[in-house]
Amino acid sequence: DIQMTQSPSSLSASVGDKVTITCQASQDIRKYLNWYQQKLGKAPNLLIYDATGLKAGVPSRFSGSGSGTDFTFTISSLQPEDVATYYCQQYDNLPQTFGGGTKVEIK
Amino acid sequence: QVQLQESGPGLVKPSQTLSLTCTVSGGSISSGDYYWSWIRQPPGKGLEWIGYIYYSGSTYYNPSLKSRVTISVDTSKNQFSLKLSSVTAADTAVYYCARGDGLHWGQGTLVTVSS
Repeated sequence: DIQMTQSPSSLSASVGDKVTITCQASQDIRKYLNWYQQKLGKAPNLLIYDATGLKAGVPSRFSGSGSGTDFTFTISSLQPEDVATYYCQQYDNLPQTFGGGTKVEIK
Repeated sequence: QVQLQESGPGLVKPSQTLSLTCTVSGGSISSGDYYWSWIRQPPGKGLEWIGYIYYSGSTYYNPSLKSRVTISVDTSKNQFSLKLSSVTAADTAVYYCARGDGLHWGQGTLVTVSS
């Protein structure tokens, strides 16, 4: 299985701050990475597909970059409604695997 | 708009079989455009991909669960199902069904394994 190492596991930032989360794959997954936002008690919500593609309707403050083994998810200006846990997921190889999650809080 | 809805018992006894069904609306499983997945999340923990099925019945299961998992599809009802046998407390989780591209998920259903 491909291991997805996500960091940090949690962070606290102020409204308006830039937030960066990284995800490292244990082997090359090309561009096949999703980023999800999961709010408390809700199902994950896809934000970014194919490492850099912004899902329709998702605010432009969210972005993704990277390919191969190293990926980054960025919130350019953190908003109160962005409080959630964020997960990366690789879908290049089966079984699909998720990162451990990053809990984002407001300072 | 594609919607998915999980259904099934919320409480299962140890050693028994967990059975859940996902009903898809707003789109046809038979279109063949997507795989259809099951994912689970133990309380307070991360996501684990269980497996998926294609409309033809072709499946792939996570090797960590393969010996206990069966995913099936009923295209006439636009549903797909999950069976997990010989459950233990470690199988207590919110179980989600989702379209294979991750764009659409069910709301999730908590299944507790307890006597």
